[in-house]
Amino acid sequence: QVQLVQSGAEVKEPGASVKVSCKASGYTFTSCGISWVRQAPGQGLEWMGWISGDSGNTNYAQKFQGRVTMTTDISTSTAYMEVRRLRSDDTAVYYCARDVPTGNWFDPWGQGTQVTVAS
Amino acid sequence: SYVLTQPPSVSVAPGHTARITCGGNSIGRKSVHWYQQKAGQAPVVVVFDDSDRSLGIPDRFSGSNSGNTATLTISRVEPGDEADYYCQVWDSFTDPVVFGGGTKLTVL
Repeated sequence: QVQLVQSGAEVKEPGASVKVSCKASGYTFTSCGISWVRQAPGQGLEWMGWISGDSGNTNYAQKFQGRVTMTTDISTSTAYMEVRRLRSDDTAVYYCARDVPTGNWFDPWGQGTQVTVAS
Repeated sequence: SYVLTQPPSVSVAPGHTARITCGGNSIGRKSVHWYQQKAGQAPVVVVFDDSDRSLGIPDRFSGSNSGNTATLTISRVEPGDEADYYCQVWDSFTDPVVFGGGTKLTVL
């Protein structure tokens, strides 16, 4: 079955960087893009950006441009998202989600990665 | 940027019908997708393209979209339906993926 498995929880100090991985299985990685969505504690879903599964083209939400980089490793069917210059309000659960090829919706989602930014 | 507005909460007794709305300017011209997020879990798509149910989702879940409002309807609500529900659309301007603020469904 189609599955996305993310890396484990991270604790970082303000100003540091974090890189979260998302390993895909059960489908042809290059046939779909991957989006990243985050959820701050008690808050809603916030789309961060998208990366193509084949070309590596990206589209970042305006809020994250310049501070977020999304990449892929086709050889391992893994997507990565790095957030730099972390702040306390970056504390959130970060999800990867597969863009369904036939429409602009997401299925499935990874299990989520908790990133905590604290000194 | 495009804005989707959802009520923060909806409460319904078991066996009754819950309707969760998602408002947006001319949302009827867009495809709306709905996600269910149970406590401590990742979101799961329940309805996509306004009214198509995702695989494994019971037919108690249905969607509609017209004018400025999309609606997720859950018939014969069960305690296991208690969750947060989010609507989502694709917008061709600025940030393309837009989520509503989410609605907490409480089963009384």
